[in-house]
Formats: sequence, C-alpha cells, structure tokens
Amino acid sequence: GDSVTQMEGPVTLSEEAFLTINCTYTATGYPSLFWYVQYPGEGLQLLLKATKADDKGSNKGFEATYRKETTSFHLEKGSVQVSDSAVYFCALGHTGRRALTFGSGTRLQVQP
Amino acid sequence: GAGVSQSPRYKVAKRGQDVALRCDPISGHVSLFWYQQALGQGPEFLTYFQNEAQLDKSGLPSDRFFAERPEGSVSTLKIQRTQQEDSAVYLCASSLARDTAPNEQFFGPGTRLTVL
Repeated sequence: GDSVTQMEGPVTLSEEAFLTINCTYTATGYPSLFWYVQYPGEGLQLLLKATKADDKGSNKGFEATYRKETTSFHLEKGSVQVSDSAVYFCALGHTGRRALTFGSGTRLQVQP
Repeated sequence: GAGVSQSPRYKVAKRGQDVALRCDPISGHVSLFWYQQALGQGPEFLTYFQNEAQLDKSGLPSDRFFAERPEGSVSTLKIQRTQQEDSAVYLCASSLARDTAPNEQFFGPGTRLTVL
C-alpha cells in the first residue's frame, strides 16, 4: 500500500536559516503530492501541491518539486521566520481514491 | 467565510461509554472525510462521504465506529463502547470536488478524545 516517510523532528533553526524537510513516498501509479502545515492550535492547512512529475509547488516562500525518479517531495525554504514554527505533513493522494495518506509530521522550531 | 467546524473540541469519556463527534463542513462542499490522528502521528483515513453517500469506510478500525451524513451536510462520527486505544484527535475535512482527482481538503480543528 501507499506510504509516506518524513524526516523526524524536531528541526530547530535560527531565523533566516535555510530549511529542508525530507519526504519520500511509496505508491503505485502517479499520485498527487501535498504539503500541509499545522500551526499551534489550528487545523491543517494546505501549503502547496504538485500533481505530476517535475511539477514544482510553491507558496509563502516554500517550494517542493515532485521527483518521480527518487520518489521524493522535499520541502524547502530559503529563509525561515519565527512564524514558520509549526508541524509540517507530507501527503499523497490518488485519482479515484480521494483519501490522503499522510506522513507522521515534522515539527519545525525557529528561534529568533 | 466559515471554515470546517467540529464539536466538541475536547471530549473525555470513561471506557465503555458511547461518544458522538460532530462535523460542520464548509457550505456547498460535496466531499467529507474523517481522519484519526494519534499523538505524534499523521492523520489516518477513516471514512469518506460524497453528499450523503458513504463511498469508502475502509479505514474504520472496528464495527464500534460508525459515521453518517444523512442530509449531505453535517456529519457525525459515533464510537460505541469506547476503548483506551480510541484516544486520539479526530479530524474532519471537506472538499468542494466531486470528481475523482485528489483535491485540496479543508480541515477542521479536530476533536481530542481521551478515554479513561
């Protein structure tokens, strides 16, 4: 079955540091890939998505590229802010089955 | 506009009690999902509705779990004879899409269930 593996956290960075959160997946066919973010006390929000190989999703300075050859969808940001502190979830979904499969989440802590 | 709302936000139940968790999706959203999120884990799929039809309930862990959406809007997840392993955050999500592609799901804040 489908699975998503994320790097374990917490990831602790200083403000303006470069961020990478690794995500790899196992799935049949050609899933769509998503990054969701959960800020403290809030529900999950879609951060970005990519629907086919080599697509790049981007939003709020975050980027992730759908790499089929390495089955990866790593999240990057060039300069993190304290307000980026949250839990980040990588997820995949298939056409025909609308439910998403999530990774276990990576907590990011950004210190001023 | 209003997002997905869930109630109660917190529920404490004694082992063996029945609980009912409510989800109000975004108005007009066709698809509704329930997920279970254990501490430190990502959400895991429980069940899916398209309007009032429950099209996928493959993730329900046992027959103690039951979900309904009788009028295609509000949904209720019921857990009978709760067990300690049912302790988790229960997330509801809705989506506008009625096609088969995986689209953005809008999540509620969740209900944290603790079974003593």
